[in-house]
Parts: sequence; C-alpha cells; structure tokens
Amino acid sequence: AQTVTQSQPEMSVQEAETVTLSCTYDTSESDYYLFWYKQPPSRQMILVIRQEAYKQQNATENRFSVNFQKAAKSFSLKISDSQLGDAAMYFCAYRNPRGGAQKLVFGQGTRLTINP
Amino acid sequence: GAVVSQHPSRVICKSGTSVKIECRSLDFQATTMFWYRQFPKKSLMLMATSNEGSKATYEQGVEKDKFLINHASLTLSTLTVTSAHPEDSSFYICSAADRGRGQPQHFGDGTRLSIL
Repeated sequence: AQTVTQSQPEMSVQEAETVTLSCTYDTSESDYYLFWYKQPPSRQMILVIRQEAYKQQNATENRFSVNFQKAAKSFSLKISDSQLGDAAMYFCAYRNPRGGAQKLVFGQGTRLTINP
Repeated sequence: GAVVSQHPSRVICKSGTSVKIECRSLDFQATTMFWYRQFPKKSLMLMATSNEGSKATYEQGVEKDKFLINHASLTLSTLTVTSAHPEDSSFYICSAADRGRGQPQHFGDGTRLSIL
C-alpha cells in the first residue's frame, strides 16, 4: 500500500523568508500524481500545487514550487517570500491514477507558522 | 474553477439523532466522491468512496450501518450519520474529482458535527 510521510509536525518561518516542507512517499508504481494541499484555520482544503510523476520538470505556482525527486520518492514544497496568509496546515498527498477509485493518500500534515 | 458545495457547515444535535450531510459538485459531473473525517490537529482519514449508481466502498474499520452513503446522481452524494452519539462528533469533508486522468480532487468546506 502507498504511504505518505511528513516528518515535520510543525515549522515556522519569518515573514518574507523561504521555507521548505518535506514529504516522502512509498509506492511501487511509476505513474502517479502528487499534491500539496493547504488547510487554513477555516479548514477549507485548498490545492496549492500538483506534480505528475512522468514529468521531470518541477511544478511551480507563483511563490510555491516543488522539488520532486522521483528516485528518492521525495516531494518537498518550497514557499518563497512567506506571507502571513500562508499560515496553515499543509498536507502532502499521493494519488495512483490507475483503477477506478483514484483515492488520495495523505501525509500527517505540517503546521506552518509565519512570524511577523 | 471546479466547485464542490457541502451542506450544512455546522450541525449541533442531540444524541440518537440522524444527520444528513450533502456534497454537490456544482459545475462538473463526479462519478466518484470521497468522504473524510478529520480529528482536531490530525490528517484527513478516508471513510468511504461514493460511487454513482452503486454501493459505496468503505475503508476498513468504518461502520457501514453507522455512516450511510448515497450517490444518486452525478452531482450529489450524501452521508447520513445514523443514531449519532457524542463520539461521532467530528469534522467531515467531502471531495470530488472531475473526469479526466489528471484532475485534482476538489473539496467541500466541511461540516462540523457536534452531538450533545
């Protein structure tokens, strides 16, 4: 079974600085999708960024980028120029596109605090 | 972008009551929807996969008779917590994915259920 591990329960960063959240996963598949979701205090789940395993290029979305290391099964999220609104729980998630269910497997989450 | 609507956002009711939560995909058709439960400061725990026109697939340890799922149309899935007790109090979130291989899941805003 696939598993996702986020080894940092909590992280903090100064406003305007850069922070990296780590995520590792375990799978025997070669084709899959990886996601980072943000959950602010409102508890909405907001998609931050996604990566397709067959693409070597790291995904970027404005201040958010990933470092996807397929061989190492690592998928870290870098947040540049951190803003107060970035404070949230961040969840890494894996999805196998094969089969009908396409379930997401979530990591334990990392609580990010932004210090003004 | 794709929107998933979940209602109600907050429910407070007496022990023994049955509570229905609705999850609607507003601008796309979803043959599959997912129901999650989230405990405070924890990750999302998949409860079941809701399949349009067929029985839901429940995760191990989830009581089928306690958490009834109905997916009667391509845009609506409901979760009914039957004879709710205080231990059923939690945050419940649904999600749905638009058709297509790489489409991400979009989440409802969640329902905070409190059983007195």
